Amino acid sequence: DAGITQSPRHKVTETGTPVTLRCHQTENHRYMYWYRQDPGHGLRLIHYSYGVKDTDKGEVSDGYSVSRSKTEDFLLTLESATSSQTSVYFCAIRGDRTFYEQYFGPGTRLTVT
Amino acid sequence: DQQVKQNSPSLSVQEGRISILNCDYTNSMFDYFLWYKKYPAEGPTFLISISSIKDKNEDGRFTVFLNKSAKHLSLHIVPSQPGDSAVYFCAARKRQGGKLIFGQGTELSVKP
Repeated sequence: DAGITQSPRHKVTETGTPVTLRCHQTENHRYMYWYRQDPGHGLRLIHYSYGVKDTDKGEVSDGYSVSRSKTEDFLLTLESATSSQTSVYFCAIRGDRTFYEQYFGPGTRLTVT
Repeated sequence: DQQVKQNSPSLSVQEGRISILNCDYTNSMFDYFLWYKKYPAEGPTFLISISSIKDKNEDGRFTVFLNKSAKHLSLHIVPSQPGDSAVYFCAARKRQGGKLIFGQGTELSVKP
């Protein structure tokens, strides 16, 4: 257990509305990640952070923005949700034991109608 | 382009037998390979990893084999148990930048 929580766990929203998902960690990890999981695609990296206020894009960043104002919180925002953003979103942290293992939160299921 | 591929969406195995999950990658820019297990409604959990300079790593019932010439890795589970039923993802870590690239996943079903 890497001390990662995600909120909300489930959300249904309408097309065009803004949505913010929160990832919270309790163990002061420097690196945090947002992924989406879709059938046939596995997990794809949206954005990641390597420190407070330090973020960068992943492979599917269009339509998403992130912010990290505190070490423990990494926020993912959909400025104007679309049906193609219906997915399960996972937050992850890079562990301390090695520099390559990542540990995931429980996920947020987002449905955009 | 899919840099990491799991070509079998599903696999069914009898309890006690060996499960073999396969993963292929397209180039040599990866330095570590990882396997994750995912149960429904939960996040993926780290299972086992292997460095690109090794060809085998073992942890209890789980063994990962890496064939660099074929750009292929496999996860062996022996003996398989019903609790192993889950979706398994392989992932490759990019040498530059450290990002993980995931395969599409294989759903393993272990029948009692």
